[in-house]
Amino acid sequence: QITLKESGPTLVKPTQTLTLTCTFSGFSLSTSGVGVGWIRQPPGKALEWLALIYWDDDKRYSPSLKSRLTITKDTSKNQVVLTMTNMDPVDTATYYCAHRTTFHGAFDIWGQGTLVTVSS
Amino acid sequence: DIQMTQSPSTLSASVGDRVTITCRASQSLSNWLAWYQQKPGKAPKLLIYKASSLESGVPSRFSGSGSGTEFTLTISSLQPDDFATYYCQQYNSYSGTFGGGTKVEIK
Repeated sequence: QITLKESGPTLVKPTQTLTLTCTFSGFSLSTSGVGVGWIRQPPGKALEWLALIYWDDDKRYSPSLKSRLTITKDTSKNQVVLTMTNMDPVDTATYYCAHRTTFHGAFDIWGQGTLVTVSS
Repeated sequence: DIQMTQSPSTLSASVGDRVTITCRASQSLSNWLAWYQQKPGKAPKLLIYKASSLESGVPSRFSGSGSGTEFTLTISSLQPDDFATYYCQQYNSYSGTFGGGTKVEIK
């Protein structure tokens, strides 16, 4: 059974850097074709694709946020970490991590999400 | 970046109705499109991948069609559990993009 869970601060101040960790089980991020992505959703708004890392360490970023995002993986710990610099109140959102394989192409299993509020 | 436009943004329907949601891409996706269902306070759930493939465990009343730049999600007979928000997502390009969502409400 595949599960993912997001963790990190619930409150960050403007200009700070956000670090979120996705801890997963039921699969390995060293298996060919597997990826883990990050998606966010501001309150009452639509989903926004942020970043994706593949088993071979190929990394993809949203063009509009690329300068602020870094995604990394620790295969031995079954974790993927997303950092976002220079946080702003508009970055207040629920942040999700999700599993992807080349079979689906889409995100087939999602974490429960974690709400991050940006406020001074 | 590829833009995804969903319509309508809100849809009012009754139990038993046939419902169709459209998603248009700013450039061709081949069939690299997915549909998700999201209920309030919950993570999205994958319904359809590769434009028309039904995810395991998803009821057969859900179907997807289309290719290139225009795609549709159809619910053949709306059930009470189907009142939710639906999102399309492209994964053809370097990155992915979601549509703006369609909220299906009770009429």
